[in-house]
Amino acid sequence: QSALTQPASVSGSPGQSITISCTGTSSDIGSYDYVSWYQQHPGKAPKLIIYDVTNRPSGVSDRFSGSKSGNTASLTISGLQAEDEADYYCNSYTNNTTLIFGGGTKLTVL
Amino acid sequence: QVRLQESGPGLVKPSETLSLTCAVSGDSINIHYWSWIRQPPGKGLEWIGYIYYSGTTNYNPSLRSRLTISLDTSKNQFSLKVNSLTAADTAVYYCARGRSAYNLWGQGTLVTVSS
Repeated sequence: QSALTQPASVSGSPGQSITISCTGTSSDIGSYDYVSWYQQHPGKAPKLIIYDVTNRPSGVSDRFSGSKSGNTASLTISGLQAEDEADYYCNSYTNNTTLIFGGGTKLTVL
Repeated sequence: QVRLQESGPGLVKPSETLSLTCAVSGDSINIHYWSWIRQPPGKGLEWIGYIYYSGTTNYNPSLRSRLTISLDTSKNQFSLKVNSLTAADTAVYYCARGRSAYNLWGQGTLVTVSS
């Protein structure tokens, strides 16, 4: 199974909004609402920020939001802050009951 | 406070078997799905597999022939075994709680495969 496709990098200025896309197929993102997103700072374990496409775990800022259209899921971060600079990964359930990650996106806050 | 802690060797020789354990504290292993995920140095995350408290397992198809994930309910921990190791298995290995969304992670343990 091939990794979900994410842009290698995105950037934005403080206060702006950015969107990270995660493209899969009809065998994963297109068929299930089990898409999650993770934030990873250097040297740290990933942190869950979105689950089941749109849901935020308790304690995660409402500046983070998720959506899905067809085979593509998206993570939007509004009101960018310096602390948002990190790597972001999407993850999806697939039709052979396995899970698959995206290749990751490096977010730079200018 | 729920905590996951990986343990195992930091260095393993090629062709040998890697054994890692994830100790769970503050939660019962008899409730959730428990997963293993790895990250080669400088690269992205790779899903390895999961186990349910019932003993049901599911593995990454590309690794399935070399993997075993098991539970030890008496010690409230779960384990990962990967055999026939190569340099490509060098990675930080994370244990996590969940099946399709991982809401709790261990700090990760670096495993290097080298002679």
